[in-house]
Parts: sequence; structure tokens; C-alpha cells
Amino acid sequence: KQEVTQIPAALSVPEGENLVLNCSFTDSAIYNLQWFRQDPGKGLTSLLLIQSSQREQTSGRLNASLDKSSGRSTLYIAASQPGDSATYLCAVPLDNYGQNFVFGPGTRLSVLP
Amino acid sequence: DTGVSQDPRHKITKRGQNVTFRCDPISEHNRLYWYRQTLGQGPEFLTYFQNEAQLEKSRLLSDRFSAERPKGSFSTLEIQRTEQGDSAMYLCASSFMGRIETPSAVTEAFFGQGTRLTVV
Repeated sequence: KQEVTQIPAALSVPEGENLVLNCSFTDSAIYNLQWFRQDPGKGLTSLLLIQSSQREQTSGRLNASLDKSSGRSTLYIAASQPGDSATYLCAVPLDNYGQNFVFGPGTRLSVLP
Repeated sequence: DTGVSQDPRHKITKRGQNVTFRCDPISEHNRLYWYRQTLGQGPEFLTYFQNEAQLEKSRLLSDRFSAERPKGSFSTLEIQRTEQGDSAMYLCASSFMGRIETPSAVTEAFFGQGTRLTVV
């Protein structure tokens, strides 16, 4: 059974810092991994999708890496801003092709001005 | 197309009543997913459709829950005889699966804003 964990559970940093969020999964036979952002009381916004054949993906100040063999992914946020404050979730599919995901519990990020 | 939309955004109902939620996916997306999220947790998968076919249901989807996607476009999720434990955010997502089913043929999933259900 696939299980996804995320550390830390919560993180508070001053504006401008670079930071790393961690995601671990127990079954390394994944086909992709997706990072999402969720603002309080809102739905999820897709940030990055990494296919299993890729090692990393970049979008603006975000960089996500994937190491299937060790069952880990990291989300790197450069030069953090107060607008980055949100909960960040990673997710892996339950099956080969679907996006019936297993989600981690999320990391709640606060960036202080 | 402005993305995945869900209606209503909030629903308060008395225990024992039936409720129905609607999801309109991104128009060209053939896959539609339903998730449930409780406070402080990540979303949990409930069910998904490819076009009008319901391909998988989680064991979380009890007999009181039913989902449909009659014409392969919008979807409804109905909960009968609601219980206080059904209180949660119900999220809908959509994506596109290409005709050749390979892992890379799946596009990223886009989520709606969710329907928050409170059972009193």
C-alpha cells in the first residue's frame, strides 16, 4: 500500500529565504509525482508534475526533484515571499496511469514579511 | 474555459438529509476525479471517471455515496442519509488521458475550489 509522508508538517521562515520541502513515498514504482499548493479553505493548484523518467522540473522560483529509488521528492522554493504562504501537498498515483492520487498530509508554510 | 468549477461552494445540511454536488471539468478533459478532504489532512481519493464510465471506486465510497457522469461532461456526487462524519471538503479534479495509454500521456490534474459540506 502506497503511503506518502511530508516533513516538516509546518514551517515558518522570514521573507527572502530559500527553503526545501520534503516528500517521501513507500512504493518506488511510481509513474509520476505532482506537487500542489492549497490556500486555506480553497481547492488545490497544480505546481509541478514530474514524470518518472524525469529527475526534476522547474517553474519560476520552484524546483522539484524526484529520486524514485530512494522514494523521495523535494520542492525547493527560492527567495520566498509572503504570497507563498500556503499548504504544499505532494501526491503520487494509485495506479499506473491515473491521477487517483495518494496525497501526503502537507507542509503548512508561513513566510513572514 | 476558466477551469474546474464546483457547485455549491458551501452546503449545510441536517443529519439524515440527502445532498448532491456538481462538478464541471475543463471541457477537453476526459477524466474526472472526486476526493474528500478533512481538516488538516491531504485529500483522499473517492472515485474517477473516464468519459462517462466510472472506472474505480475507493472503499471510502460507502453505499450512501453515488457518483455519475451521464454524458461524459459534468459529474454529480450524491450523499444519501448524511452523517456528521461526512462533513468535509469535497474536491473535484479533471485531466486528459491520451488515446495511447502510457504514463506520459496523462496531463496534470486541475482541481476545483471544492464544496464544503457541514452536517449538523
